[in-house]
Amino acid sequence: NAGVTQTPEFQVLKTGQSMTLQCAQDMNHEYMSWYRQDPGMGLRLIHYSVGAGITDQGEVPNGYNVSRSTTEDFPLRLLSAAPSQTSVYFCASSYSTSSSSYEQYFGPGTRLTVT
Amino acid sequence: DAKTTQPNSMESNEEEPVHLPCNHSTISGTDYIHWYRQLPSQGPEYVIHGLTSNVNNRMASLAIAEDRKSSTLILHRATLRDAAVYYCILDDQGAQKLVFGQGTRLTINP
Repeated sequence: NAGVTQTPEFQVLKTGQSMTLQCAQDMNHEYMSWYRQDPGMGLRLIHYSVGAGITDQGEVPNGYNVSRSTTEDFPLRLLSAAPSQTSVYFCASSYSTSSSSYEQYFGPGTRLTVT
Repeated sequence: DAKTTQPNSMESNEEEPVHLPCNHSTISGTDYIHWYRQLPSQGPEYVIHGLTSNVNNRMASLAIAEDRKSSTLILHRATLRDAAVYYCILDDQGAQKLVFGQGTRLTINP
């Protein structure tokens, strides 16, 4: 298994540009999520999905859109990039039930700089 | 969200045991205790999790206090590769919406 893959690894955007960060997993996980990590800080949840067609907001959703059309893919779209969105973005996936808790698998991250 | 408190940093020596503490005094009965670690320039890596009983796996042990208000991650024999930021996180009812704090930066001396 490739696990959780993210593309691109690095990206530089100008203010106002839009782009999509890609995330895919091949473990048939129902749950997927996006986090951002600013320098010296812990991760903060942006959006998450408990299955295809179902998404919800996390702690810091403003400026980002997500969709989940397949189990495997969970892209994150930046609508109009701002310098405050300069960060490292991590995608994660896991099994999901209402009766237990599971380990999350994280991707290698996308390092985004907005100038 | 229930919060956790960890020391900002700890230091230990190679091949010695390491005990990383975590306080979670407002934990609820449905919160699972998770530990993740993050090596430099990498994504977080799952270490271990538990609900009420102590847990062991190939990476570490998790000791949970009887009142569940604190827990300790135990690395039995630290290696240089264990140098990382360790996060103690509560997962409410398995909702998977992890809330990462600042974590503990663990330094391992050769």
